Amino acid sequence: EVQLVESGGGLVKPGGSLRLSCATSGFTFSSHTMSWVRQAPGRGLEWVSSIDNNGTFIHTAYSLRGRFTISRDNATNSLFLQMNSLTVEDSAIYYCARGMGSTWFGYWGQGTLVTVSP
Amino acid sequence: QSVLTQPPSMSAAPGQKVTIPCSGSNSNIGNNHVSWYQQFPGTAPKLLIYENNKRASGIPARFSGSKSGTSATLDITGLQTGDEADYYCGTWDSSLRAGPVFGAGTKVTVL
Repeated sequence: EVQLVESGGGLVKPGGSLRLSCATSGFTFSSHTMSWVRQAPGRGLEWVSSIDNNGTFIHTAYSLRGRFTISRDNATNSLFLQMNSLTVEDSAIYYCARGMGSTWFGYWGQGTLVTVSP
Repeated sequence: QSVLTQPPSMSAAPGQKVTIPCSGSNSNIGNNHVSWYQQFPGTAPKLLIYENNKRASGIPARFSGSKSGTSATLDITGLQTGDEADYYCGTWDSSLRAGPVFGAGTKVTVL
Protein backbone atom coordinates (compact mmCIF):
# COMPACT_ATOMS: atom_id res chain seq x y z
CA GLU A 1 0.00 0.00 0.00
CA VAL A 2 1.31 3.41 -0.99
CA GLN A 3 1.84 5.58 2.06
CA LEU A 4 2.88 9.22 2.17
CA VAL A 5 3.26 10.86 5.57
CA GLU A 6 4.05 14.54 5.80
CA SER A 7 5.58 16.23 8.80
CA GLY A 8 7.32 19.45 9.76
CA GLY A 9 4.39 21.83 9.65
CA GLY A 10 3.65 24.26 12.41
CA LEU A 11 3.39 27.89 13.42
CA VAL A 12 6.08 30.24 12.14
CA LYS A 13 6.40 34.01 12.06
CA PRO A 14 6.53 35.98 8.81
CA GLY A 15 10.04 35.92 7.40
CA GLY A 16 10.76 32.59 9.00
CA SER A 17 11.66 29.24 7.49
CA LEU A 18 10.30 25.74 7.68
CA ARG A 19 11.35 22.39 6.26
CA LEU A 20 8.66 19.89 5.43
CA SER A 21 9.30 16.17 5.09
CA CYS A 22 7.36 13.37 3.44
CA ALA A 23 8.17 9.82 4.47
CA THR A 24 7.08 7.23 1.94
CA SER A 25 6.60 3.48 1.82
CA GLY A 26 4.83 0.80 -0.18
CA PHE A 27 6.42 1.58 -3.54
CA THR A 28 9.78 2.06 -5.23
CA PHE A 29 10.39 5.69 -4.31
CA SER A 30 13.30 6.14 -6.71
CA SER A 31 11.05 5.35 -9.69
CA HIS A 32 8.54 8.15 -9.29
CA THR A 33 8.19 11.90 -9.69
CA MET A 34 7.19 13.51 -6.41
CA SER A 35 5.42 16.78 -5.78
CA TRP A 36 4.13 19.23 -3.22
CA VAL A 37 0.66 20.75 -3.52
CA ARG A 38 -0.83 23.21 -1.06
CA GLN A 39 -4.31 24.29 -0.09
CA ALA A 40 -5.00 27.48 1.82
CA PRO A 41 -7.91 27.35 4.30
CA GLY A 42 -11.19 27.24 2.41
CA ARG A 43 -9.42 27.54 -0.93
CA GLY A 44 -8.55 25.32 -3.87
CA LEU A 45 -5.46 23.32 -4.76
CA GLU A 46 -2.22 25.02 -5.77
CA TRP A 47 0.76 23.16 -7.20
CA VAL A 48 4.01 24.08 -5.45
CA SER A 49 6.89 22.05 -6.86
CA SER A 50 7.86 18.72 -8.41
CA ILE A 51 11.04 16.69 -8.71
CA ASP A 52 11.72 13.77 -11.04
CA ASN A 53 12.72 10.34 -9.84
CA ASN A 54 16.46 10.98 -9.59
CA GLY A 55 16.35 14.67 -8.70
CA THR A 56 17.60 15.87 -12.08
CA PHE A 57 14.50 17.78 -13.12
CA ILE A 58 12.97 20.26 -10.68
CA HIS A 59 10.00 22.46 -11.49
CA THR A 60 8.64 25.04 -9.07
CA ALA A 61 5.67 27.37 -9.35
CA TYR A 62 6.82 30.69 -10.77
CA SER A 63 5.60 32.72 -7.80
CA LEU A 64 7.51 30.54 -5.33
CA ARG A 65 10.87 30.31 -7.06
CA GLY A 66 13.71 31.62 -4.98
CA ARG A 67 11.90 30.88 -1.71
CA PHE A 68 10.82 27.23 -1.95
CA THR A 69 13.20 24.37 -2.73
CA ILE A 70 12.18 20.77 -3.27
CA SER A 71 14.61 17.90 -2.75
CA ARG A 72 14.58 14.16 -2.23
CA ASP A 73 16.67 11.41 -0.69
CA ASN A 74 16.18 8.15 -2.53
CA ALA A 75 18.24 6.32 0.09
CA THR A 76 15.68 7.08 2.79
CA ASN A 77 12.59 7.28 0.55
CA SER A 78 11.95 10.84 1.65
CA LEU A 79 10.82 14.06 0.01
CA PHE A 80 11.49 17.53 1.38
CA LEU A 81 10.37 21.11 0.92
CA GLN A 82 12.50 23.94 2.25
CA MET A 83 10.43 27.10 2.64
CA ASN A 84 12.11 30.42 3.31
CA SER A 85 10.95 34.01 3.75
CA LEU A 86 7.48 32.80 4.61
CA THR A 87 4.50 35.16 4.43
CA VAL A 88 0.96 34.85 5.74
CA GLU A 89 -0.10 33.93 2.20
CA ASP A 90 1.93 30.72 2.53
CA SER A 91 -0.38 29.45 5.28
CA ALA A 92 -1.91 26.24 3.98
CA ILE A 93 -2.05 22.52 4.24
CA TYR A 94 0.88 21.11 2.30
CA TYR A 95 0.37 17.76 0.62
CA CYS A 96 2.99 15.39 -0.68
CA ALA A 97 1.97 13.57 -3.87
CA ARG A 98 3.31 10.74 -5.99
CA GLY A 99 3.08 10.53 -9.75
CA MET A 100 1.05 7.95 -11.61
CA GLY A 101 0.84 7.67 -15.37
CA SER A 102 0.95 11.10 -16.88
CA THR A 103 -0.29 12.82 -13.74
CA TRP A 104 2.07 14.01 -11.03
CA PHE A 105 -0.63 13.63 -8.37
CA GLY A 106 -1.71 9.98 -8.34
CA TYR A 107 -1.40 9.43 -4.60
CA TRP A 108 -1.62 11.99 -1.80
CA GLY A 109 -0.50 12.17 1.80
CA GLN A 110 -2.76 13.45 4.56
CA GLY A 111 -1.04 16.83 4.60
CA THR A 112 0.76 18.98 7.15
CA LEU A 113 -0.51 22.38 8.25
CA VAL A 114 1.70 25.43 7.96
CA THR A 115 0.53 28.59 9.69
CA VAL A 116 2.43 31.82 9.19
CA SER A 117 1.33 34.41 11.70
CA PRO A 118 2.92 37.32 13.63
CA GLN B 1 -8.19 33.18 -10.37
CA SER B 2 -7.71 29.77 -11.94
CA VAL B 3 -7.09 29.27 -15.65
CA LEU B 4 -9.52 26.35 -15.47
CA THR B 5 -13.16 27.28 -14.91
CA GLN B 6 -15.51 25.15 -12.84
CA PRO B 7 -18.90 26.05 -11.39
CA PRO B 8 -18.64 26.62 -7.62
CA SER B 9 -21.48 24.25 -6.84
CA MET B 10 -23.84 21.70 -8.35
CA SER B 11 -26.57 19.58 -6.85
CA ALA B 12 -28.75 16.64 -7.77
CA ALA B 13 -30.96 14.08 -6.12
CA PRO B 14 -29.79 10.59 -5.18
CA GLY B 15 -29.71 8.31 -8.18
CA GLN B 16 -29.48 11.17 -10.63
CA LYS B 17 -26.55 12.19 -12.80
CA VAL B 18 -24.33 15.21 -12.35
CA THR B 19 -21.99 16.50 -15.02
CA ILE B 20 -19.19 18.76 -13.81
CA PRO B 21 -17.63 20.93 -16.52
CA CYS B 22 -14.08 22.20 -16.61
CA SER B 23 -13.30 24.84 -19.20
CA GLY B 24 -9.83 25.87 -20.29
CA SER B 25 -7.90 26.91 -23.36
CA ASN B 26 -5.48 25.61 -25.96
CA SER B 27 -2.58 26.26 -23.59
CA ASN B 28 -3.92 23.75 -21.08
CA ILE B 29 -6.84 21.38 -21.66
CA GLY B 30 -6.66 21.71 -25.44
CA ASN B 31 -3.24 20.08 -25.60
CA ASN B 32 -2.85 18.12 -22.38
CA HIS B 33 -4.43 15.30 -20.42
CA VAL B 34 -6.99 16.13 -17.73
CA SER B 35 -7.27 14.60 -14.27
CA TRP B 36 -10.08 14.80 -11.73
CA TYR B 37 -9.79 14.72 -7.95
CA GLN B 38 -12.31 14.18 -5.17
CA GLN B 39 -11.90 15.76 -1.78
CA PHE B 40 -14.06 15.28 1.30
CA PRO B 41 -13.95 17.95 4.03
CA GLY B 42 -10.88 17.66 6.20
CA THR B 43 -9.25 14.99 4.06
CA ALA B 44 -6.67 14.85 1.28
CA PRO B 45 -7.64 14.92 -2.38
CA LYS B 46 -7.93 11.60 -4.15
CA LEU B 47 -7.34 10.88 -7.82
CA LEU B 48 -10.49 9.79 -9.61
CA ILE B 49 -9.71 10.13 -13.31
CA TYR B 50 -6.43 10.55 -15.16
CA GLU B 51 -5.49 10.92 -18.82
CA ASN B 52 -8.97 12.32 -19.52
CA ASN B 53 -10.99 9.16 -19.05
CA LYS B 54 -9.05 6.48 -17.17
CA ARG B 55 -10.36 5.58 -13.74
CA ALA B 56 -7.85 5.31 -10.95
CA SER B 57 -7.62 2.06 -9.05
CA GLY B 58 -10.74 1.26 -7.06
CA ILE B 59 -12.86 4.04 -8.56
CA PRO B 60 -16.34 2.78 -9.48
CA ALA B 61 -17.63 2.97 -13.03
CA ARG B 62 -20.20 5.55 -11.90
CA PHE B 63 -17.40 8.07 -12.32
CA SER B 64 -16.33 8.83 -15.87
CA GLY B 65 -14.35 11.56 -17.57
CA SER B 66 -14.19 12.95 -21.06
CA LYS B 67 -12.50 15.73 -22.96
CA SER B 68 -13.43 17.64 -26.08
CA GLY B 69 -11.38 20.50 -27.40
CA THR B 70 -10.64 22.90 -24.55
CA SER B 71 -13.20 21.48 -22.12
CA ALA B 72 -13.48 18.40 -19.96
CA THR B 73 -16.29 16.89 -17.95
CA LEU B 74 -16.66 14.55 -15.02
CA ASP B 75 -19.86 12.55 -14.95
CA ILE B 76 -21.18 10.97 -11.79
CA THR B 77 -24.11 8.66 -12.40
CA GLY B 78 -26.30 6.99 -9.80
CA LEU B 79 -25.45 9.78 -7.39
CA GLN B 80 -25.06 8.68 -3.77
CA THR B 81 -24.97 10.67 -0.54
CA GLY B 82 -21.38 9.55 -0.13
CA ASP B 83 -20.46 11.41 -3.33
CA GLU B 84 -21.01 14.75 -1.62
CA ALA B 85 -17.57 16.33 -1.90
CA ASP B 86 -15.45 18.88 -3.74
CA TYR B 87 -14.26 17.93 -7.21
CA TYR B 88 -11.26 19.49 -8.92
CA CYS B 89 -10.05 19.24 -12.47
CA GLY B 90 -6.36 19.53 -13.23
CA THR B 91 -4.03 19.61 -16.19
CA TRP B 92 -0.76 21.09 -17.43
CA ASP B 93 -0.65 24.69 -18.58
CA SER B 94 1.90 25.55 -21.24
CA SER B 95 1.68 29.33 -20.91
CA LEU B 96 4.54 31.59 -19.82
CA ARG B 97 4.43 30.31 -16.25
CA ALA B 98 4.10 26.68 -17.30
CA GLY B 99 3.11 24.09 -14.77
CA PRO B 100 0.24 22.01 -13.40
CA VAL B 101 -2.97 23.92 -12.78
CA PHE B 102 -6.24 23.11 -11.02
CA GLY B 103 -9.75 24.39 -11.31
CA ALA B 104 -11.20 26.18 -8.30
CA GLY B 105 -13.32 23.16 -7.49
CA THR B 106 -17.00 22.25 -7.60
CA LYS B 107 -18.94 21.40 -4.47
CA VAL B 108 -21.41 18.63 -5.23
CA THR B 109 -24.43 18.45 -2.96
CA VAL B 110 -26.74 15.46 -2.92
CA LEU B 111 -30.25 16.74 -2.28
